Amino acid sequence: DTGVSQNPRHKITKRGQNVTFRCDPISEHNRLYWYRQTLGQGPEFLTYFQNEAQLEKSRLLSDRFSAERPKGSFSTLEIQRTEQGDSAMYLCASSPRTGQYEQYFGPGTRLTVT
Amino acid sequence: KQEVTQIPAALSVPEGENLVLNCSFTDSAIYNLQWFRQDPGKGLTSLLLIQSSQREQTSGRLNASLDKSSGRSTLYIAASQPGDSATYLCAPYTNAGKSTFGDGTTLTVKP
Repeated sequence: DTGVSQNPRHKITKRGQNVTFRCDPISEHNRLYWYRQTLGQGPEFLTYFQNEAQLEKSRLLSDRFSAERPKGSFSTLEIQRTEQGDSAMYLCASSPRTGQYEQYFGPGTRLTVT
Repeated sequence: KQEVTQIPAALSVPEGENLVLNCSFTDSAIYNLQWFRQDPGKGLTSLLLIQSSQREQTSGRLNASLDKSSGRSTLYIAASQPGDSATYLCAPYTNAGKSTFGDGTTLTVKP
């Protein structure tokens, strides 16, 4: 069990560019979550998947944001036409199919939009 | 809409002191509640998970309690150490599969 991994760890992009982040959950975890965290605040829920189905999506996830989880394994989060307000830490977590849905977090991807 | 408040926002204590961190939430229809630790610039590390049917959960020097009906949870840290310095976050989890986080309590333990 290698834990949740996220790539890249850091991304600097210019305003207007598209970016894509990847999350690899703990193997056999069927639930996967995306959060966004800005400095001094707690993580804000963006979306979650059970297997390949996206079951809930926050209003924070505007039309420029999209997430996928093909085949119920890894997930990608894409931001189109980035804005400076998108600068944040993007966190991914996964939880197992049984038990109490304890969430295990990855190290995050730090996005800076210049 | 679930709202989570953590008090105090920051806390500084000398090494060896026992301390309590507070978490309150507005919607008591939760499935569980998780406490996390976050070091600067890092991801979150799970400390304790309390099921909605439980009142307490313990791990080493940490003890978390849950009063679901009043919308409160506390994290008790015994004999604090400088290595405990971090931000502590609580997150109630609903049946809809969604966690709502507070903004955390930043703890500094001075040697």
